[in-house]
Amino acid sequence: AQKITQTQPGMFVQEKEAVTLDCTYDTSDQSYGLFWYKQPSSGEMIFLIYQGSYDEQNATEGRYSLNFQKARKSANLVISASQLGDSAMYFCAMREGSRSGNTPLVFGKGTRLSVIA
Amino acid sequence: DAGVIQSPRHEVTEMGQEVTLRCKPISGHDYLFWYRQTMMRGLELLIYFNNNVPIDDSGMPEDRFSAKMPNASFSTLKIQPSEPRDSAVYFCASSQPGTGLRNEQFFGPGTRLTVL
Repeated sequence: AQKITQTQPGMFVQEKEAVTLDCTYDTSDQSYGLFWYKQPSSGEMIFLIYQGSYDEQNATEGRYSLNFQKARKSANLVISASQLGDSAMYFCAMREGSRSGNTPLVFGKGTRLSVIA
Repeated sequence: DAGVIQSPRHEVTEMGQEVTLRCKPISGHDYLFWYRQTMMRGLELLIYFNNNVPIDDSGMPEDRFSAKMPNASFSTLKIQPSEPRDSAVYFCASSQPGTGLRNEQFFGPGTRLTVL
C-alpha cells in the first residue's frame, strides 16, 4: 500500500499568489514525522519543513507552512507569495516512529510546481 | 561545513560494465542512506547504514547491487553488471545521531547514471 500520496502531478500558480500542495499519508503508528523537500531543476533535495504527529501547532518556516489535519491524515504544504524560484518538484515524505533509530524516509511521487510571472 | 559529497556527478556506461558510486557523508553523521530516483518509481530507499553497519538492504534490487561502508566517512554503491534499467539518479543522504523523528536527512547532489 502506498504510504504517501501526492495526487497533483503538476500545479501552476501565478507569481505572488499562494499555493497548496496536497499530501495524504497512511500509517498505523501514533508517532511519526512528516517532511517536505524541494527539488529544483538542478536536482538537489532541499529540506523545507517538518511536522511531528504530536505537534499541536502547524509548522511554519518563512513562506512555507504545513496544514496538518491528523484525523484526515493529510499534511498539505502551503507556499505563500510564490516566487519564480519556487518552480520545482516538491516531495512529501514520512518517517514512522514504531522502530527505534533514525529510520529512512518514505517519499511520495512528487508534485511539479510551476510559477508563472 | 561541506555537505554530503557524491562522485561522480554523471556517469555514462555501457551495459555489462561495473559502476561504482561514491559518497562522503557529513562529518559526525552516523546514518547513511542510499536512495534511487526514477520517473516510474520515484524516490526509493536502497540501503541504509548506522555506524558503518548495514541496517536494512531490503530495497537493493538484486544481487547485482552491493553497498559498503568501510569507515565513517566513505560509502560505495556498486552495480555489476550494469543494465539499462539501472539508469537513474542515485542519492546519498546522511543524518546525525539520535532517535528523534525530527532528524533531517541531508542529501548529496546525486549521481545521474546512464547505462547504454
